[in-house]
Amino acid sequence: GESVGLHLPTLSVQEGDNSIINCAYSNSASDYFIWYKQESGKGPQFIIDIRSNMDKRQGQRVTVLLNKTVKHLSLQIAATQPGDSAVYFCAENILNDYKLSFGAGTTVTVRA
Amino acid sequence: DTGVSQDPRHKITKRGQNVTFRCDPISEHNRLYWYRQTLGQGPEFLTYFQNEAQLEKSRLLSDRFSAERPKGSFSTLEIQRTEQGDSAMYLCASSLAQGEEEKLFFGSGTQLSVL
Repeated sequence: GESVGLHLPTLSVQEGDNSIINCAYSNSASDYFIWYKQESGKGPQFIIDIRSNMDKRQGQRVTVLLNKTVKHLSLQIAATQPGDSAVYFCAENILNDYKLSFGAGTTVTVRA
Repeated sequence: DTGVSQDPRHKITKRGQNVTFRCDPISEHNRLYWYRQTLGQGPEFLTYFQNEAQLEKSRLLSDRFSAERPKGSFSTLEIQRTEQGDSAMYLCASSLAQGEEEKLFFGSGTQLSVL
């Protein structure tokens, strides 16, 4: 069967490698998901979003994968750079609702 | 800068004092949100406005907290009789309610320390 990635609070990545950040969401009624990046002293910054009728979406150097069966979301960052060091949060909501619920963040540290 | 602006960036106050924070959203955005974030945690929803109407308040928002958006543009969040447990980052976000997907854009927050 398909393995489910574990959420890890920290992730250390070598510069140039790919990063995978995992998130388990809680509400089976959630149908819209967003990944945010938060650097120290700043507010969360939008990275990429995905609706529940999709299982993959790609952006610039980032890919989000959604597995609704196991309520799992992942963010893949290609060719990780020092500027990618930050805390990454997944957030979920029900479409036409207004509240985003944030998961526990993952602190990504990029090693030179 | 056309992003969400928050003022002040940092606030240190003594327990029992009142504090007020201001948020200026992205100009064409009709929804404005307040979130609170404590160290090591994700942001938690506090309240939100559609234009000038405050449509919901979280149970996290005790009666010491009040938020306003009088003209549907900027918003203020006031905390009366501050307690040490109020120490947190207060984040404002705005969005343009258009279609089904709603991307929230966050400001840099106001870091409150209650001594």
